[in-house]
Order: sequence, then structure tokens, then C-alpha cells
Amino acid sequence: GDSVTQMEGPVTLSEEAFLTINCTYTATGYPSLFWYVQYPGEGLQLLLKATKADDKGSNKGFEATYRKETTSFHLEKGSVQVSDSAVYFCALSVKTSYDKVIFGPGTSLSVIP
Amino acid sequence: NAGVTQTPKFQVLKTGQSMTLQCAQDMNHNSMYWYRQDPGMGLRLIYYSASEGTTDKGEVPNGYNVSRLNKREFSLRLESAAPSQTSVYFCASHSGRPLHFGNGTRLTVT
Repeated sequence: GDSVTQMEGPVTLSEEAFLTINCTYTATGYPSLFWYVQYPGEGLQLLLKATKADDKGSNKGFEATYRKETTSFHLEKGSVQVSDSAVYFCALSVKTSYDKVIFGPGTSLSVIP
Repeated sequence: NAGVTQTPKFQVLKTGQSMTLQCAQDMNHNSMYWYRQDPGMGLRLIYYSASEGTTDKGEVPNGYNVSRLNKREFSLRLESAAPSQTSVYFCASHSGRPLHFGNGTRLTVT
């Protein structure tokens, strides 16, 4: 079945460090891929998305490229800030009888000054 | 502000008690969803409503019921709460992608 695997963390980085959170997926058909972010006490918000192979999603300095050959959608940021501390979820969406969204387990990121 | 509103934010129940979680969206979205979030498991779909008047089971529907009251509102009911239902519950909606989430209801069943 469809699934998403991501590194679970927690991940702790110093401010201005480089961030990579790995995400791989299994899906039938051609899924859309997403990264959502959850700040403490809040719901999930869309961070970025990609809808087809080789698309690059980007937002707030974060980037991820849809790699069909490696079924991956790794999240990267060149220089993290304390305000980036949150939980990050990789997700895929496929159209069935409804828009089926499968989430990874989430990766907790803490950025220390 | 437009968005998805959930009530209550927090709730403590005793085993066997019932309650209804409320969700409303003002974005005129067709589809609405209920998820539960547990540590290390991401979000799991409980029920969804693809359009007004329809509801269907998701991945973990046991112990829950839903009502799509109108296009705006989608409620989740626990008829007889169990400790295994201790979780954070999120409502979401969309027309097209992506999902828009509420801020969640943190439920503890003792």
C-alpha cells in the first residue's frame, strides 16, 4: 500500500546549520508530495509541495525536489533559525474515491542559539 | 480570519463517557476530514466526507461516528470513550490540494 517513511528524530541543530530531513515514499500511480510543518499547539500548515517528477517546491528558505527515480522528497534548508523549531511531516496525496493523504511519522526539529 | 475552527481545545473524559468534537470551516470546501495524531505515528485518518451528505471510514474508524451536518460542519462523536482514544484530534478541509487544518483538540481518557 501507499506509505511515507521519514527520519523521526528528534533533530537538534545550532542556528545557521544546514538541515536535511529525509523522506521516501511508496505509492501506486503518480502522487503529489508535500511537506507540512506543525508549530507547538497548532495544526499542520503546508510548507511546500511538488506535483510531478523533478518539480522543486520551495518556501521560507526550505526546498525539496520530487525524485521519482529514488522515490524521495528530502527537505533541505541552508541556514536554520530558532524560529524553525517545529515538527515536520512529509506526506503524499493520491486521488482515489477521495483525495487520500498519507503522512509520515513526523520529525521534531529543535534549533538552539 | 478564514479557516478551520475546532472546539473544544482540551477535554478530559472518564472511560465510558461520550462526547462530540465540533469542526467548522468557512472556506466553502467540499471535503472534510478527521485525523488523530499519536506520537511516532503521524496522522491517521478516522473518517472523511468527500462532499455534503456523504461520509466514509478511513484507516482507524472503530469507536467513532461522524456527522456532516452541512457544508461547513463536520462533527466527530465518541459514544463510549476508551483510554486508547487519548490523542490529539485534527479536523481538516480542502477543495483541491492541500489540506487546511484546525488547531486540534487534545483529548485525555482516564
